[in-house]
Amino acid sequence: DGGITQSPKYLFRKEGQNVTLSCEQNLNHDAMYWYRQDPGQGLRLIYYSQIVNDFQKGDIAEGYSVSREKKESFPLTVTSAQKNPTAFYLCASSIAAEQFFGPGTRLTVL
Amino acid sequence: GQQLNQSPQSMFIQEGEDVSMNCTSSSIFNTWLWYKQDPGEGPVLLIALYKAGELTSNGRLTAQFGITRKDSFLNISASIPSDVGIYFCATTTGNQFYFGTGTSLTVIP
Repeated sequence: DGGITQSPKYLFRKEGQNVTLSCEQNLNHDAMYWYRQDPGQGLRLIYYSQIVNDFQKGDIAEGYSVSREKKESFPLTVTSAQKNPTAFYLCASSIAAEQFFGPGTRLTVL
Repeated sequence: GQQLNQSPQSMFIQEGEDVSMNCTSSSIFNTWLWYKQDPGEGPVLLIALYKAGELTSNGRLTAQFGITRKDSFLNISASIPSDVGIYFCATTTGNQFYFGTGTSLTVIP
């Protein structure tokens, strides 16, 4: 059963703590992405990776970091430098011109 | 990034009515995608279009790739309560994907 998994579904953290969001795909896609979605808004690109061991900043990369050590995994770390981290985070992967999304992680920073 | 203008922003319709929404850009693209997002979930790809003028259906959903290659349209026929959600258009230049701001659909039983 191929797809993209994100865990956990809900995540709570105290202000000032770093937190890592998991994203795994078994679709054998080369490209993976992280988006942030705020209430009533569209998708904003944080980071993307076209190939293992390489990634590029998106439109809102400040306060975030990623790694791409394996093709199937693209974890996102929300650092304490991110001023407004509470949001819905979506991971995606793509092949050719089609992009597919995971179920999302809702991060709440208290 | 690329700007995709999606309209209308929201729609409130009676169950059984047909729905139309569209997406326009100032640039030419070779692909148009339509997604549906349920509350608290990730977007799901509904239809992908690859050729100007192409008309593609997925059940009660029909999407068209505009002949100018700068727009796309999504129609939903005979709406039902489970059609509720946010519909996004999207396109790509290869490396990145660009999304419309979404159309929020409410179906009144």
